[in-house]
Amino acid sequence: DQQVKQNSPSLSVQEGRISILNCDYTNSMFDYFLWYKKYPAEGPTFLISISSIKDKNEDGRFTVFLNKSAKHLSLHIVPSQPGDSAVYFCAASAMGGSEKLVFGKGTKLTVNP
Amino acid sequence: GAGVSQSPSNKVTEKGKDVELRCDPISGHTALYWYRQSLGQGLEFLIYFQGNSAPDKSGLPSDRFSAERTGGSVSTLTIQRTQQEDSAVYLCASSPAGGPAGDTQYFGPGTRLTVL
Repeated sequence: DQQVKQNSPSLSVQEGRISILNCDYTNSMFDYFLWYKKYPAEGPTFLISISSIKDKNEDGRFTVFLNKSAKHLSLHIVPSQPGDSAVYFCAASAMGGSEKLVFGKGTKLTVNP
Repeated sequence: GAGVSQSPSNKVTEKGKDVELRCDPISGHTALYWYRQSLGQGLEFLIYFQGNSAPDKSGLPSDRFSAERTGGSVSTLTIQRTQQEDSAVYLCASSPAGGPAGDTQYFGPGTRLTVL
């Protein structure tokens, strides 16, 4: 059973527009959420995170929103740039439990010039 | 500074053979993680080492998989009697302290394992 779900395998947007990547989770014990970005032939790199005590975290062009009641989070990238084209993974962990991260399957974002 | 390195970058092996994958974490990082990514899947946790504590092996898919971490630094993931379903990219990550704050996990480039 997938505890972290990214239902859109791909997303294509125009440069300058907003990219919205979505993630749903099922485990109510998760209380820390992260987004990682992955280029081909490279390991994932950390992008932004949010604790369950917050509903929004912003870092430059990247904002993560958390809706605990809906068990849903989203990553907004605005404005989108061609260099943002990559696979984005949503991940979650449960504090006080294992330190392992549970990842979604990823969404491939393509930003067209 | 040097990041997490993994070797080999690619490994092709025949079904039934044993393979060893190596991870060199960032110097000074006490926590080390192994994940794998099968085709079309997300990253799947395998094992976690933190300092001198007993490793968390809860993600290892079978007893054919084992891992060691020598001297609190380099780690080796061993897969015995490889099967075709073991084909995946094996990723190693290290973290300064090892905790639920996953933003401190730094990933290596991975080893792509292909079992024929």
